[in-house]
Amino acid sequence: EDQVTQSPEALRLQEGESSSLNCSYTVSGLRGLFWYRQDPGKGPEFLFTLYSAGEEKEKERLKATLTKKESFLHITAPKPEDSATYLCAVQETSGSRLTFGEGTQLTVNP
Amino acid sequence: EPEVTQTPSHQVTQMGQEVILRCVPISNHLYFYWYRQILGQKVEFLVSFYNNEISEKSEIFDDQFSVERPDGSNFTLKIRSTKLEDSAMYFCASRPGTANYGYTFGSGTRLTVV
Repeated sequence: EDQVTQSPEALRLQEGESSSLNCSYTVSGLRGLFWYRQDPGKGPEFLFTLYSAGEEKEKERLKATLTKKESFLHITAPKPEDSATYLCAVQETSGSRLTFGEGTQLTVNP
Repeated sequence: EPEVTQTPSHQVTQMGQEVILRCVPISNHLYFYWYRQILGQKVEFLVSFYNNEISEKSEIFDDQFSVERPDGSNFTLKIRSTKLEDSAMYFCASRPGTANYGYTFGSGTRLTVV
C-alpha cells in the first residue's frame, strides 16, 4: 500500500525566512510525485510534478526536489501570501489515483 | 486558464437522502476523478473514470456511490442514502491523456449531512 508522510505538520516562518518541507513516500513503482497548494475551503492547486530521482523544478519562490525515498519543497524568502497547506501526493505506475499525505500547514508572518 | 467547475459549492442534506454532486471537467481532458476530504483529514481517492467507465475505485467507493458522465461535458457523483460520515468536501479532478499527468482540481462541494 502506498504511503506518504509529510513533515512538519505545521510550520511558522517570518517573512524572508527560508525553509523546507519534507515528503517521504513508499510506493512499489513511482510514476510521479505531485506537489499541490491548498487554501482553506478550496481545492488543491497544482504546483509541480516530479518523475525521477534527481529531478528539480522551480516556480517563483518554490523549488521541488526528488530522491528515491523523499521529496523536498524549498521555500526561499517566503511572503505572507505563501501561507497555505502544501500537499504531497504520489501516483503509482500501476494506476492513476493520487495518494496524498496529510499536508504541511505553512504560516508566514509579516 | 481552463478550470474544473463544481456545483453546488455547499449542500446540506438529511441523512438517508440522495445527493448528486456535479462537475464540468476541462473540455479536452480524458480522465476524470472524484476525491473527498473529511474536515481535518487528508484528501482521499474515490474513483477514476475513463472512456465512459470506471477505471479504478477505492474501498470507500461502495454500492452507495455511483458516477456518470451523462453528456459530453458533465461528470456526476451520486451518493444514495447519505450517512453522517459522508459529510466532507468532495473534489472533482480531470487530466489530459497519458502524455501529461497534470491533474486539475475543482474548488469542491462541501456536503453536510444532518
